[in-house]
Amino acid sequence: QKEVEQDPGPLSVPEGAIVSLNCTYSNSAFQYFMWYRQYSRKGPELLMYTYSSGNKEDGRFTAQVDKSSKYISLFIRDSQPSDSATYLCAMIAYGGATNKLIFGTGTLLAVQP
Amino acid sequence: KAGVTQTPRYLIKTRGQQVTLSCSPISGHRSVSWYQQTPGQGLQFLFEYFSETQRNKGNFPGRFSGRQFSNSRSEMNVSTLELGDSALYLCASSKRQPTGASSYEQYFGPGTRLTVT
Repeated sequence: QKEVEQDPGPLSVPEGAIVSLNCTYSNSAFQYFMWYRQYSRKGPELLMYTYSSGNKEDGRFTAQVDKSSKYISLFIRDSQPSDSATYLCAMIAYGGATNKLIFGTGTLLAVQP
Repeated sequence: KAGVTQTPRYLIKTRGQQVTLSCSPISGHRSVSWYQQTPGQGLQFLFEYFSETQRNKGNFPGRFSGRQFSNSRSEMNVSTLELGDSALYLCASSKRQPTGASSYEQYFGPGTRLTVT
């Protein structure tokens, strides 16, 4: 079983829809949770990060972490065609000796105009 | 502020050859991590360098190696290339905490796409 599970999609939504992207994980040592966006043939771009449980909002994006369920989400409101990309969740243990990010496999999102 | 740069962007090599990839981190960042991205396995951690020392290593064979220079620039080398080494190689730079603890904010470069024929 992988440490981080993410539905690969693809997920296709109409412009303006609310998008929900999710990951589950098994390692309770994870404390920091990140979402990266990766356009085709580009490197991943850090979108948001959260520490421990709770919500964080940045413009149209909201990240949620539920450590009790080992479940994280990224919501995109008023989705735009420019949001079409692969979204990767990533996690890391806090204060550990390693800088190793554990990634989900990524969800491919297509926002149709 | 300039981002992470990687050179070359594209490479085509044949089996058995070796290759060296280069990464320049964001100014002020002293930690460089390398990842391999393939359609089947996703993003997998190769190794991390901090202050010219390898701090962590992923589950890759010894053919994969790296180093870091005093200006924090890093190189990774793959010897005796195999077809399965075809992938996007990404480096990420970050500021480690002053205590040396892990840093959650890692910024990726555009990657080097390696094709082995």
